[in-house]
Amino acid sequence: SYELTQPPSVSVSPGQTARITCSGDALPKKYGYWYQQKSGQAPVLAIYEDSKRPSGIPERFSGSSSGTMATLTISGAQVEDEADYYCYSTDSSGIPVFGGGTKLTVL
Amino acid sequence: QLQLQESGPGLVKPSETLSLTCTVSGGSISSSGYYWGWIRQPPGKGLEWIGIIYYSGNTYYNPSLKSRLTISVDTSKNQFSLKVTSVTAADTAVYYCARVKRATSFFFDSWGQGTLVTVSS
Repeated sequence: SYELTQPPSVSVSPGQTARITCSGDALPKKYGYWYQQKSGQAPVLAIYEDSKRPSGIPERFSGSSSGTMATLTISGAQVEDEADYYCYSTDSSGIPVFGGGTKLTVL
Repeated sequence: QLQLQESGPGLVKPSETLSLTCTVSGGSISSSGYYWGWIRQPPGKGLEWIGIIYYSGNTYYNPSLKSRLTISVDTSKNQFSLKVTSVTAADTAVYYCARVKRATSFFFDSWGQGTLVTVSS
């Protein structure tokens, strides 16, 4: 079955740039999406269609995609950005798939 | 503002059927272009897509769960529902309902708060 691979954890100091990657063979042809999940809360859509930001998501969040890798970038990460981040996409047949998640620590 | 709320038993016995309902408010479940879906998250683990339904009744199921799943919609109540048969401890999870957009592919743009379902005797 199709898999999206993320690093288990990323750690940065406040104000630094955090980058979280997601690799998948279908990403050259399928959009990547990113969800933020804070502790005890439901996921929130942070980036859609590779690089679009929903209303209410701070400008420091951005997304990009190149080849088989999608990247979520948080420029000037804040303590409140500490969360689990999940990439999401679909396989070549359109079946939804989530990545395993990346725990972002900001301290 | 769109709101989704999951409801159903928090405890289900092994081999029985898990049943959940998602009530949509602040918008119509019959809105053109929007689908409705279920996702689950075992304690301490990642997200797993379960299935998606359109208001017309068209469904899309996770192949790994398909044999045990039924997702249905009740447009008169603005609700959609999930049934999972023959549950085991592996089905213990927080279950989320969500609104689904379909552009070039499905994605979940608005989520309920989730409800924990424990499978135990």
